[in-house]
Amino acid sequence: GAVVSQHPSWVICKSGTSVKIECRSLDFQATTMFWYRQFPKQSLMLMATSNEGSKATYEQGVEKDKFLINHASLTLSTLTVTSAHPEDSSFYICSAREPGGRGDTQYFGPGTRLTVL
Amino acid sequence: AQSVTQPDIHITVSEGASLELRCNYSYGATPYLFWYVQSPGQGLQLLLKYFSGDTLVQGIKGFEAEFKRSQSSFNLRKPSVHWSDAAEYFCAVGAGGGGNKLTFGTGTQLKVEL
Repeated sequence: GAVVSQHPSWVICKSGTSVKIECRSLDFQATTMFWYRQFPKQSLMLMATSNEGSKATYEQGVEKDKFLINHASLTLSTLTVTSAHPEDSSFYICSAREPGGRGDTQYFGPGTRLTVL
Repeated sequence: AQSVTQPDIHITVSEGASLELRCNYSYGATPYLFWYVQSPGQGLQLLLKYFSGDTLVQGIKGFEAEFKRSQSSFNLRKPSVHWSDAAEYFCAVGAGGGGNKLTFGTGTQLKVEL
């Protein structure tokens, strides 16, 4: 199956700093990538949909100025958490979809654990 | 808006026993349905998916699921559980264009007793 990677796998940062998380599709081109957030013992919540070459679409309640998403190529999307605070600590997971067809499968990355001190 | 309910937060089964994880969905049109498995600290791996056609879907690792429109259910089953199946299982419904926008249930934590 298709492989999606994330980097870094975990990061610890100080409050007020910015953190960038990369999501790459390794063996396919992804016109659409998705960013999710998962709190401990909870489900995944969709944050935004990232389309290559265009602005991301954010879900209701997600601050687009705080969670900057860039999808500059067909294999790379980045999520930047700006001015991070302890409440931003979470597990961030990306997924990528192969183009074409209906109901295409999303392939998920291994996730990035963010801890803000 | 679509929603997914997984009624069982935790399930414990003995190795070799059969397993059924429940999933109920709410969606106004024909749903795209998925089951994913997540091991601790890991991303999600697709077990199986249903888009249309045969309502009994076979997946990886010996799992299967049956779509029952009348009950709005998509329960996951395995005839004989292995210790390595212990993980968190998520049911999801896909909506939007092509069913790409996934809404997940809250997950069921499976524990396997040896």
